[in-house]
Amino acid sequence: EDKVVQSPLSLVVHEGDTVTLNCSYEVTNFRSLLWYKQEKKAPTFLFMLTSSGIEKKSGRLSSILDKKELFSILNITATQTGDSAVYLCAVEPSWGYGGSQGNLIFGKGTKLSVKP
Amino acid sequence: KAGVTQTPRYLIKTRGQQVTLSCSPISGHRSVSWYQQTPGQGLQFLFEYFSETQRNKGNFPGRFSGRQFSNSRSEMNVSTLELGDSALYLCASRDRGRIDSYEQYFGPGTRLTVT
Repeated sequence: EDKVVQSPLSLVVHEGDTVTLNCSYEVTNFRSLLWYKQEKKAPTFLFMLTSSGIEKKSGRLSSILDKKELFSILNITATQTGDSAVYLCAVEPSWGYGGSQGNLIFGKGTKLSVKP
Repeated sequence: KAGVTQTPRYLIKTRGQQVTLSCSPISGHRSVSWYQQTPGQGLQFLFEYFSETQRNKGNFPGRFSGRQFSNSRSEMNVSTLELGDSALYLCASRDRGRIDSYEQYFGPGTRLTVT
């Protein structure tokens, strides 16, 4: 059965700290891995990763994928209270020919709390 | 561009009733996926529609159904509601026509409470 596991489930840090969130997966036909941030309602898109070893960056956030070891990490440097949220990792499987199956398999999320 | 919109935002129903939720995708997006989010199970895929056709379906009972209209708007229906159907229902849209962009953009969700 396809699954996505995130760790830790929750994390409390202080402003200015650097955090690393982990996501491992077991998916029969991998197409892409996505990171989302969910604060109150709608998950907001952060990154989509398809290739190993290529870091994606957006401000203080960065992410990288290792397709050999089947995991991804999301780094947040110089954390701020506004980074407090649940961070979701999702994997998109493909059909055998490579086309998207159209669904995302989500992990349970990491709840990050940043204290002032 | 306007984002994904969902209506209603909140809904309270009683067991045995049925409910219809609506989702309007981002303009130009032709794919709409539906997800159920609960504290215990997290986000789980219900189904995806593209060009008015259901492309894939998750492991949910037949009480959960959907459809998509020619303008890409989608509806999700749940019949014979059970207490366990209480959840946040999210829809997401994406532009399947762009080969380099498959990320899904989520709407604000509909919070369904079944009493």
